[in-house]
Amino acid sequence: AQKVTQAQTEISVVEKEDVTLDCVYETRDTTYYLFWYKQPPSGELVFLIRRNSFDEQNEISGRYSWNFQKSTSSFNFTITASQVVDSAVYFCALNSGSRLTFGEGTQLTVNP
Amino acid sequence: ETGVTQTPRHLVMGMTNKKSLKCEQHLGHNAMYWYKQSAKKPLELMFVYNFKEQTENNSVPSRFSPECPNSSHLFLHLHTLQPEDSALYLCASSQVGGRSWTGGELFFGEGSRLTVL
Repeated sequence: AQKVTQAQTEISVVEKEDVTLDCVYETRDTTYYLFWYKQPPSGELVFLIRRNSFDEQNEISGRYSWNFQKSTSSFNFTITASQVVDSAVYFCALNSGSRLTFGEGTQLTVNP
Repeated sequence: ETGVTQTPRHLVMGMTNKKSLKCEQHLGHNAMYWYKQSAKKPLELMFVYNFKEQTENNSVPSRFSPECPNSSHLFLHLHTLQPEDSALYLCASSQVGGRSWTGGELFFGEGSRLTVL
């Protein structure tokens, strides 16, 4: 069985603060993929990043960075200098085998 | 502009109505998906089509009937729904290497917000 846990249901920050969204996953497979998606108020899920289980290098893309640690089964997402436009629901997802499992999402609100 | 288009964006229907949701992808992908997103619940996979063949039906009630006439179009036919079926229905597509999904990212539409009265 596979599972994705996003323990933070809601996070509220003030603009320009850094914020980290946590994601913990469970799988028995040795080969798997991890994802982060953003869901703005318009509804669609926007793909942000994919990592495979053999690549533990952290990644940075502009204000976004991801910390993948197999030892703790975590794939955390940090937004640096947050902006109001970052307000959205963020989903972590795990592909193991032929199934994609989503976490319950974290609602991030960035206040001006 | 998203490469996956869903219509209608909003739909209100009675429990005795029959309606359909439509999804079209312009990305050349060979797999399409229906997900249900209810309030306070994780995204639920409903159906998967790979190469126009249904490869997964995640114990979805028969009042939901999918149709995939080609690799670019996916429909969800709705009939005799219940109020608890009110949700956001998301369509997605991806490029898969074979009959099983092997790690490609999904591209989602903006969803169809369904309200059942």
